[in-house]
Amino acid sequence: AQSVTQPDIHITVSEGASLELRCNYSYGATPYLFWYVQSPGQGLQLLLKYFSGDTLVQGIKGFEAEFKRSQSSFNLRKPSVHWSDAAEYFCAVGGDMRFGAGTRLTVKP
Amino acid sequence: DTEVTQTPKHLVMGMTNKKSLKCEQHMGHRAMYWYKQKAKKPPELMFVYSYEKLSINESVPSRFSPECPNSSLLNLHLHALQPEDSALYLCASSRGRSGEQYFGPGTRLTVT
Repeated sequence: AQSVTQPDIHITVSEGASLELRCNYSYGATPYLFWYVQSPGQGLQLLLKYFSGDTLVQGIKGFEAEFKRSQSSFNLRKPSVHWSDAAEYFCAVGGDMRFGAGTRLTVKP
Repeated sequence: DTEVTQTPKHLVMGMTNKKSLKCEQHMGHRAMYWYKQKAKKPPELMFVYSYEKLSINESVPSRFSPECPNSSLLNLHLHALQPEDSALYLCASSRGRSGEQYFGPGTRLTVT
């Protein structure tokens, strides 16, 4: 069965620092993988997706993610975090969009 | 245009009321979804419509009744809800069943 694990419930970074949010998946074949961001009380916005091909995927708002089959991971990165990046981040897998538990990002000034 | 709209934004209803949530997309997507999201939790899939036919019902209680009148509209009819049904209800759509989904802003439902 498809499943996603986000090991970090809450991460705090300083503004301008780099960011990496972890995502591990369990899936029988090459998965479809997604990262979404959600601000409080809002819907989810797609940051990026991986279906096949180049394992380094560029997304919106300066985010990127790398698919590593050997580690069953799809970690999200950003080189320099802005205060507006504070939100909940969800990794998801598969056509029926099974979500991880989410990682809440706090940005310190 | 990647917009999914949902109405109303907020809804307060008593346990004996009947109400409906509405969702609309004009991207030509043929799959539409309802999710329920409790505070500090990920969205939980409730229903999937594919080509206007219900293809997945994730064991949702019958007090929630989905309807897909056409390829652009998705409704969720609510009746005799319980306080624990209070949540953010999200609608999403995708081109096909395995593509990325685009989410609406949600309806914040409070059951009193």
